[in-house]
Amino acid sequence: AQKITQTQPGMFVQEKEAVTLDCTYDTSDPSYGLFWYKQPSSGEMIFLIYQGSYDQQNATEGRYSLNFQKARKSANLVISASQLGDSAMYFCAMSPQNTGNQFYFGTGTSLTVIP
Amino acid sequence: NAGVMQNPRHLVRRRGQEARLRCSPMKGHSHVYWYRQLPEEGLKFMVYLQKENIIDESGMPKERFSAEFPKEGPSILRIQQVVRGDSAAYFCASSLAGRKNIQYFGAGTRLSVL
Repeated sequence: AQKITQTQPGMFVQEKEAVTLDCTYDTSDPSYGLFWYKQPSSGEMIFLIYQGSYDQQNATEGRYSLNFQKARKSANLVISASQLGDSAMYFCAMSPQNTGNQFYFGTGTSLTVIP
Repeated sequence: NAGVMQNPRHLVRRRGQEARLRCSPMKGHSHVYWYRQLPEEGLKFMVYLQKENIIDESGMPKERFSAEFPKEGPSILRIQQVVRGDSAAYFCASSLAGRKNIQYFGAGTRLSVL
């Protein structure tokens, strides 16, 4: 079975501080992709970062980095130097290469950046 | 998600009416996926289509919902006789052939049923 778990319904972070959003996954597929999306109050899904299961290095995109621990099946998102505009819902998603045709999404984490 | 166009962005329907949601995939993409996001939840897969074919509809409700992706024109998600429980955000994604694990999402259509 494919499953994505985000255990933090809400998080707060002080502006300019770093924050880690947790994500664990479960899949029997040896090849898969892990994604993080940001959903602001306007509702669109904004792609942030991607990690392939066979990638040797953790993915980074600007202030976003993905802490990929394959043995623990975790793919935490780290946002450095938080900004007020980072306040949004954040979704972790997994796409197995060989199993099914869909992305599997977690239930999301609501991040609030405090000035 | 640049390039996947969904319209309308917001759609209001009364109970019993029909809702039609449109999705134009990114240029060069021949695979389309529809997802539904209920309030306070993550996205849930509904259906996967290629041109003129439904490949996987395992997430589609059995009644009132249908989807198509014609040879020409956008993909259409159709909801007949809408009920209040259909109120949700509906997202479309597209991918290249053979790259279904890399999907690009549109901005979504927010359906409100009065």
